[in-house]
Amino acid sequence: NAGVMQNPRHLVRRRGQEARLRCSPMKGHSHVYWYRQLPEEGLKFMVYLQKENIIDESGMPKERFSAEFPKEGPSILRIQQVVRGDSAAYFCASSPTRQGNEQFFGPGTRLTVL
Amino acid sequence: GESVGLHLPTLSVQEGDNSIINCAYSNSASDYFIWYKQESGKGPQFIIDIRSNMDKRQGQRVTVLLNKTVKHLSLQIAATQPGDSAVYFCAEMLNDMRFGAGTRLTVKP
Repeated sequence: NAGVMQNPRHLVRRRGQEARLRCSPMKGHSHVYWYRQLPEEGLKFMVYLQKENIIDESGMPKERFSAEFPKEGPSILRIQQVVRGDSAAYFCASSPTRQGNEQFFGPGTRLTVL
Repeated sequence: GESVGLHLPTLSVQEGDNSIINCAYSNSASDYFIWYKQESGKGPQFIIDIRSNMDKRQGQRVTVLLNKTVKHLSLQIAATQPGDSAVYFCAEMLNDMRFGAGTRLTVKP
């Protein structure tokens, strides 16, 4: 049973470009969470999605950031017109249900904005 | 070490000693807590969890203690090994999972 998959593992973009980060949850998991982690800091919740629905995006910046989890395919975190401050590690986690369950984390995507 | 603030506090222990990592959580209504371990360049890994109707839970070499009165969680690692060196995060669950800032554990041989 494959774990949570994220790709790419490393992504380099220039300011103003778009970044697309992909997350495939564990088999049987329909709940996906995205987190951002700055160096030497904790994980900051961004968004929680179920298939085709955004449930909670309270941690996501209102501009330039969007997330989706289509019926088929991976969850996508999209950052438009990236700025240097977007440089961080972005982790995706999945769980079989929402409440009271361990979240399984992917290896993360390290985004570097030049 | 306590997981507060934005910059990681650190805890340094001698190999073989016991480690205690502390965490203050924010919401008294949180009903589920997890400790995660994150090694450099990797995603967080589950260590142990505890529900709010418990005060203590033991795993292999690890024990989590929950004090709801003061909203405090601790992780005890027995006979700490070099492989335990990592950043440790506590997380609380209410509507969503919220993470503490983490504590960096360094094990000296």
